[in-house]
Amino acid sequence: DGGITQSPKYLFRKEGQNVTLSCEQNLNHDAMYWYRQDPGQGLRLIYYSQIVNDFQKGDIAEGYSVSREKKESFPLTVTSAQKNPTAFYLCASNQLNYGYTFGSGTRLTVV
Amino acid sequence: GQNIDQPTEMTATEGAIVQINCTYQTSGFNGLFWYQQHAGEAPTFLSYNVLDGLEEKGRFSSFLSRSKGYSYLLLKELQMKDSASYLCARSYNQGGKLIFGQGTELSVKP
Repeated sequence: DGGITQSPKYLFRKEGQNVTLSCEQNLNHDAMYWYRQDPGQGLRLIYYSQIVNDFQKGDIAEGYSVSREKKESFPLTVTSAQKNPTAFYLCASNQLNYGYTFGSGTRLTVV
Repeated sequence: GQNIDQPTEMTATEGAIVQINCTYQTSGFNGLFWYQQHAGEAPTFLSYNVLDGLEEKGRFSSFLSRSKGYSYLLLKELQMKDSASYLCARSYNQGGKLIFGQGTELSVKP
């Protein structure tokens, strides 16, 4: 079955450490997205990619980096420059203007 | 998120009807999505409106007025399992990204 997989489900980061969140899809979707969700809030767009080897900043890109070397994969790195990284991170993909397919999310906590 | 507004929270009674409103800026508008999200889980798709009018799907209906920048989600015959956050999101003419509102936390009480 086609779908989108995020890993890990839970991730703990020490102060000053970079961590990478994985997102893989086998839906053959061109576009992929990363969102951050804080408690009681909606989803805020971090980065998105509409085609391989190209990506754009969303509304809150500072402190994050991405790559899109393969159509199936869109990893997100949370760098030490992101001062408040504790949040629920959601990856999504879609084709053209159709609705998103979401991954199950990664909950990142700073320890 | 780029001026998408919806109420923060609502409460309704089991078996009743509730309407969740959403307003957005009309510039570059392409379509309007509604998602349901239970705590700690990913959002799940409920509806998509691209033309004016009402789209009905079982107990859930969604309405769109493009000229007014307004949509609502109507939930009928409320059940306890409908307690969740409901997210309004819009798409743009250019590209497929969605911008979400803050979500409306719906509590259904017996």
